[in-house]
Amino acid sequence: GAVVSQHPSWVICKSGTSVKIECRSLDFQATTMFWYRQFPKQSLMLMATSNEGSKATYEQGVEKDKFLINHASLTLSTLTVTSAHPEDSSFYICSERSGLSSPLHFGNGTRLTVT
Amino acid sequence: AQTVTQSQPEMSVQEAETVTLSCTYDTSESDYYLFWYKQPPSRQMILVIRQEAYKQQNATENRFSVNFQKAAKSFSLKISDSQLGDAAMYFCAYRSAAGSQGNLIFGKGTKLSVKP
Repeated sequence: GAVVSQHPSWVICKSGTSVKIECRSLDFQATTMFWYRQFPKQSLMLMATSNEGSKATYEQGVEKDKFLINHASLTLSTLTVTSAHPEDSSFYICSERSGLSSPLHFGNGTRLTVT
Repeated sequence: AQTVTQSQPEMSVQEAETVTLSCTYDTSESDYYLFWYKQPPSRQMILVIRQEAYKQQNATENRFSVNFQKAAKSFSLKISDSQLGDAAMYFCAYRSAAGSQGNLIFGKGTKLSVKP
């Protein structure tokens, strides 16, 4: 079964509104979660690394004030897209950081459409 | 910085035949992990196979096997007896064994079509 649960699987929102995406680890305590974004027909690009109890680490070019990450517990990380615009429409997917020799387990992803 | 290159945007294979997907990477590290992930239309990321860089033996997983050439920094995926369900995007990925990051670095992907 899934070890990472991500919700919602899809969401449509109006431009200017905010959307929260949840990523929950089911089988273990994840001190670190990764958030990726995938545009159509493109690869997954790391947006940020979510760290439990501390600030997230953002990749270059990713606006931290627009993509708010909260990792308040060992099992839950959230990504909030604030004041969403059509160009934020994308597929967002999270993954846990397990032991380095282990494969990353991914959530099922969230398809965000901003109208 | 590490990079992963998949030079084949699209590939096609006849059902029951064999196909090889290419992947090269660039790194100055000696210890790392390599993965192949499959992404079907549902967009769920599914692990296909993984390889530890310190292991010389090529990883195999049922119909899937890799040709890992560390010196050449090459990590190709061979799919034998291709099935219709193998049709998907395939991503090659690199993961450093050092440091505290642990995130995956992906190639651009190869779209595999399987013809009946």
